[in-house]
Parts: sequence; structure tokens; C-alpha cells
Amino acid sequence: GAGVSQSPSNKVTEKGKDVELRCDPISGHTALYWYRQSLGQGLEFLIYFQGNSAPDKSGLPSDRFSAERTGGSVSTLTIQRTQQEDSAVYLCASSLARSGAYEQYFGPGTRLTVT
Amino acid sequence: LAKTTQPISMDSYEGQEVNITCSHNNIATNDYITWYQQFPSQGPRFIIQGYKTKVTNEVASLFIPADRKSSTLSLPRVSLSDTAVYYCLVGASYGQNFVFGPGTRLSVLP
Repeated sequence: GAGVSQSPSNKVTEKGKDVELRCDPISGHTALYWYRQSLGQGLEFLIYFQGNSAPDKSGLPSDRFSAERTGGSVSTLTIQRTQQEDSAVYLCASSLARSGAYEQYFGPGTRLTVT
Repeated sequence: LAKTTQPISMDSYEGQEVNITCSHNNIATNDYITWYQQFPSQGPRFIIQGYKTKVTNEVASLFIPADRKSSTLSLPRVSLSDTAVYYCLVGASYGQNFVFGPGTRLSVLP
């Protein structure tokens, strides 16, 4: 079946512009996560959605970052007034929402470059 | 959330067995141990998950001692294509496995 998809795969933007990154999770997965990965680094958690519950935004680095999840499916991560330090690969993952054993399925990521 | 510690890098040769150990001294009773693999320019991919003792699948084995304060990912007979970064995560539910540390960068040499 289809995996997690993300678009665009690459995005180059000028400093100060807003960008939107899209994630389509696996159908039926109610949990959705956004991570950021800088070059050569581990993954940094940004935000987590679970069904209709309020999202866990504890990882968002500043108020320039926001995310929505519409209809419990597609999610959009928005970065306003981009800065050069926002350059990274943004990864989305989804999983079945159950306690105990589970796995996250990751998309290919969006490489954001802020010039 | 249990903190994990693993070696930053390891080298191996094709055909050898590779063991990567992860320390998680403050693992909680309900926590599972999960390992992911990440190739360059790709998102991480689930390898294996366990709670205690030993788990084996077609890709790897996971050894967890009785005190669960560490775990060892074992990759049998590695090939060049196993060169990747391997992450160990510890958490209890779908909402908790947020912390991916720097992982272990495995380089398999010919």
C-alpha cells in the first residue's frame, strides 16, 4: 500500500518568506508526527497529532512554526518569516495509535533551504 | 522519557556480525525498546522492537537483559548496504517516542 508522502521534496526559499510543507499519512493512521533533521544530526521532534485531541506542540522551536491536521489526515507544517537556521530536512511520520508496541512510518522528507 | 546512550560510530567489514548496544538506565516498566535505521536522504525505517529477552525478525535480533537497562541490536553478516545510522528509542506509547538521539553511524567496509 501507499506509504507516507511529503511534498515538496525540495524547497528553496528566501529569508523572510513563508513556506508550507505537506504530509499525507498512511490511511487509517491516527497519529502523525513532524520532525526536523539538520545535516548530520539526529531527529528533533516538533509536533504530534493524535486523532481529535489537542496536538502536542512542545517541540516547536518558535511561534513562527505552526501545524494543522485537517480531517484527521493530511497535515501542513507552516514556517513564517523563514530564517537561515530553519534550513533542514522536515520529516513526517504516522503510526497506528495504540499503546505498547507500535512503529512509526516515515515519509521521504522535505529538504528546506533558506537563502 | 528514558534517555538513551549509544556509540556515535562503528566500523565493520562485510560478512561480520555487528552488535550495537544502547544504554537506557532509567527505562520505565511500560517502556518498549525500538530500533530504527536511516539511510542518507531517507526517513528512518523501523527495524525491530522488543520488551524483554530476545526478539528476532528477518533483519535483526534484539537482545534485552533481565534488568532492561540496556539493549543490543545484532545485525548478522552485514553487507555494504547496511551502512546507515541506527537509532535506539525507548518509550511506552505512540506519543512518547519523540527523542531520536544522534544514533550510531555504522560503516560497513568491503
